[in-house]
Amino acid sequence: NAGVTQTPKFQVLKTGQSMTLQCAQDMNHNSMYWYRQDPGMGLRLIYYSASEGTTDKGEVPNGYNVSRLNKREFSLRLESAAPSQTSVYFCASRDLNTEAFFGQGTRLTVV
Amino acid sequence: GQQLNQSPQSMFIQEGEDVSMNCTSSSIFNTWLWYKQEPGEGPVLLIALYKAGELTSNGRLTAQFGITRKDSFLNISASIPSDVGIYFCAGCLSGTYKYIFGTGTRLKVLA
Repeated sequence: NAGVTQTPKFQVLKTGQSMTLQCAQDMNHNSMYWYRQDPGMGLRLIYYSASEGTTDKGEVPNGYNVSRLNKREFSLRLESAAPSQTSVYFCASRDLNTEAFFGQGTRLTVV
Repeated sequence: GQQLNQSPQSMFIQEGEDVSMNCTSSSIFNTWLWYKQEPGEGPVLLIALYKAGELTSNGRLTAQFGITRKDSFLNISASIPSDVGIYFCAGCLSGTYKYIFGTGTRLKVLA
């Protein structure tokens, strides 16, 4: 059982480049989340999708877009990467009143 | 944005000592959870709390969901070297699917 799978695991971008981080879960969860983690900042919520067909902004949505492609997949897009977006990105999924399950993370560096 | 205030930020303790950390917020939560994160990994659930006043144990770990629904604490008894890591509280804001994290407590155990 794979759980939550994120790709890629590592990525280096130049300022201004675009890319999409992929996330898929096989637990039939309704809700999916994208977080970024910076040193000393904990995990900050970027966007979330309560259920298929809906997305909402989290605490730090600027510079990002998301797509809930279907129940399994939730992608995060950086249209024009900036050095401030250098971070570790985590995808998670859960159902109401259950724990969140996390992917292994994507380490993104923007130079 | 919404924040969970977690304290202390870091702790250095001797093996065998007990540890206590807590989270507070100005908002009401309908779930409180505690996670541990080790380097290069996503957070892993330790304890989940779903009712105000609930006190739950998992081995040497004990956590409580505050009666006001705005706070929670985690205690670790008789710490061991493998307790080293970053501990996060997390919660789902009441009436939403918004799942947010505290800033983390970095624990180091000296043998």
